[in-house]
Amino acid sequence: KAGVTQTPRYLIKTRGQQVTLSCSPISGHRSVSWYQQTPGQGLQFLFEYFSETQRNKGNFPGRFSGRQFSNSRSEMNVSTLELGDSALYLCASSLEGLRGEAFFGQGTRLTVV
Amino acid sequence: GESVGLHLPTLSVQEGDNSIINCAYSNSASDYFIWYKQESGKGPQFIIDIRSNMDKRQGQRVTVLLNKTVKHLSLQIAATQPGDSAVYFCAENKSTGFQKLVFGTGTRLLVSP
Repeated sequence: KAGVTQTPRYLIKTRGQQVTLSCSPISGHRSVSWYQQTPGQGLQFLFEYFSETQRNKGNFPGRFSGRQFSNSRSEMNVSTLELGDSALYLCASSLEGLRGEAFFGQGTRLTVV
Repeated sequence: GESVGLHLPTLSVQEGDNSIINCAYSNSASDYFIWYKQESGKGPQFIIDIRSNMDKRQGQRVTVLLNKTVKHLSLQIAATQPGDSAVYFCAENKSTGFQKLVFGTGTRLLVSP
């Protein structure tokens, strides 16, 4: 059974640009959640999508957005990139959502220069 | 602000010892807790969860204890092995309004052979 796949693995962007990250969940999982991990702030929850709808949301500005497609694949977009957006972005998929076992991908390492 | 804190940033143990990783949470309304393990270069891996109507839950070589009176969570690993070396995170889930996971800063467990 394939795991959670995130693409790309590494990305370098310039301040002010926008970026789109992709996450393919485990087959049959309808919940996809996104997280930002930095040395300073640790792991922080961004949002969760379930059946194409944003169901839960963390405390990030509107520059961070996402969507989920009918096949449960999800994308996360960050607009007007700032240096502080440099981080490892992780997605996780699960059957139930934020409760229950979630499976994480290896993440996308975003560097903003 | 919201926080889930960890008492020790690094824990060093000998192979075969039992390890105890502690976590303090700040919101008494949290009703669901998870422990994750993250190895270098990988996404977090679900270890075990516990709901607030329980004070103990056991898995394979792991036990989670929840003390709601003092808002404290611990993860016990029996017969620690070198493969257990990783960073361990606790997370709390609050179900009021939007759900979101709040993560602790992490404890690095180092297991010496």
